[in-house]
Amino acid sequence: DVKVTQSSRYLVKRTGEKVFLECVQDMDHENMFWYRQDPGLGLRLIYFSYDVKMKEKGDIPEGYSVSREKKERFSLILESASTNQTSMYLCASSAPTGGVETQYFGPGTRLLVL
Amino acid sequence: ILNVEQSPQSLHVQEGDSTNFTCSFPSSNFYALHWYRWETAKSPEALFVMTLNGDEKKKGRISATLNTKEGYSYLYIKGSQPEDSATYLCASRPGGSARQLTFGSGTQLTVLP
Repeated sequence: DVKVTQSSRYLVKRTGEKVFLECVQDMDHENMFWYRQDPGLGLRLIYFSYDVKMKEKGDIPEGYSVSREKKERFSLILESASTNQTSMYLCASSAPTGGVETQYFGPGTRLLVL
Repeated sequence: ILNVEQSPQSLHVQEGDSTNFTCSFPSSNFYALHWYRWETAKSPEALFVMTLNGDEKKKGRISATLNTKEGYSYLYIKGSQPEDSATYLCASRPGGSARQLTFGSGTQLTVLP
């Protein structure tokens, strides 16, 4: 079974703090994604990566950066956390299988910025 | 940005009822449609992926259909059980090299015992 783990289930941070959210997958997937989920909205893509040291902006990258130094690990960084970044953050990974890529998700990190 | 819409936003049904909900997506440049189930405190779990017009997929009491010409998919649950309570997400992937999915906001299903 594919396993995607995220470093924390719950985090409380203060405005202005630097925040690291870590994601690790154990299936050697090329692709990794970071989403945020807010009430009434779908999962919105923040950043994704197709390979080590590669990153691409998603739909809402402002205020975030990412790092992918190893294939299995994809980190989301909030350089200076703000209250509007309070959200549920989900990491996912995928690999091409017959041309269609199913994404496998971690359990999410619920971040509260005070 | 593709616009993927799901309806209804939430739904309460009695145990044993059958139910269905809708996902609509842009039909131009379509490649694949995914359905996920997201139970509280768990990871979203893939249910189905469909690519061809007229595709039908089934997993136990849950099935899905796809109409790519008009841009919609239905998810059906037959004889709902309390363990079916979850948020059901659909996501569309366009053609081309993009590998991103665009998600709808989900349908939250509650099955009352």
